[in-house]
Amino acid sequence: SQQGEEDPQALSIQEGENATMNCSYKTSINNLQWYRQNSGRGLVHLILIRSNEREKHSGRLRVTLDTSKKSSSLLITASRAADTASYFCATAVYNQGGKLIFGQGTELSVKP
Amino acid sequence: EPEVTQTPSHQVTQMGQEVILRCVPISNHLYFYWYRQILGQKVEFLVSFYNNEISEKSEIFDDQFSVERPDGSNFTLKIRSTKLEDSAMYFCASDLRGGTDTQYFGPGTRLTVL
Repeated sequence: SQQGEEDPQALSIQEGENATMNCSYKTSINNLQWYRQNSGRGLVHLILIRSNEREKHSGRLRVTLDTSKKSSSLLITASRAADTASYFCATAVYNQGGKLIFGQGTELSVKP
Repeated sequence: EPEVTQTPSHQVTQMGQEVILRCVPISNHLYFYWYRQILGQKVEFLVSFYNNEISEKSEIFDDQFSVERPDGSNFTLKIRSTKLEDSAMYFCASDLRGGTDTQYFGPGTRLTVL
């Protein structure tokens, strides 16, 4: 598998439900960042979690990082129709000067 | 809030033509990047730039590509002789310390090569 793989590839839920997306990676990292992309638009930064952190919260977002399993999860609580977008994890690989390696993304659809 | 800006938002060109994509990174950032995203695919790293030189580049970034910081604010990506497969969304990004903090992305330039 490739660095920064996400699952599921697609997720469809009802408004108000929680959405969980997972990301796996292969190498040592400085940090892992989650981005959102609305169709055909730019990348919006959501949250960064450093390699020495295990959990981080920002509003309705909760990110966990397990460096022993080389995996991360993004939880969006109480989802809204406006959360409909693609979500990508991106790893800043240790000692590679800032280059981010992106996963394939999870396409989230939140139905009203 | 400071943001990365890119121009143009959409560029259409003929195969074989040269294009220059422009970016203005966040003013106090020191590291600059270009990425591309072919339609329906993941975002791919092209090149990173620090202290007026390339610090890393991917296999995609061949001799057709070049980057430049012509003045204190702009950061450009030039594709010398475009090919059909260069059609993609190109994103510029910047950060302060090169991989240890948030990397901010611009809105992208959609390049269409005919």
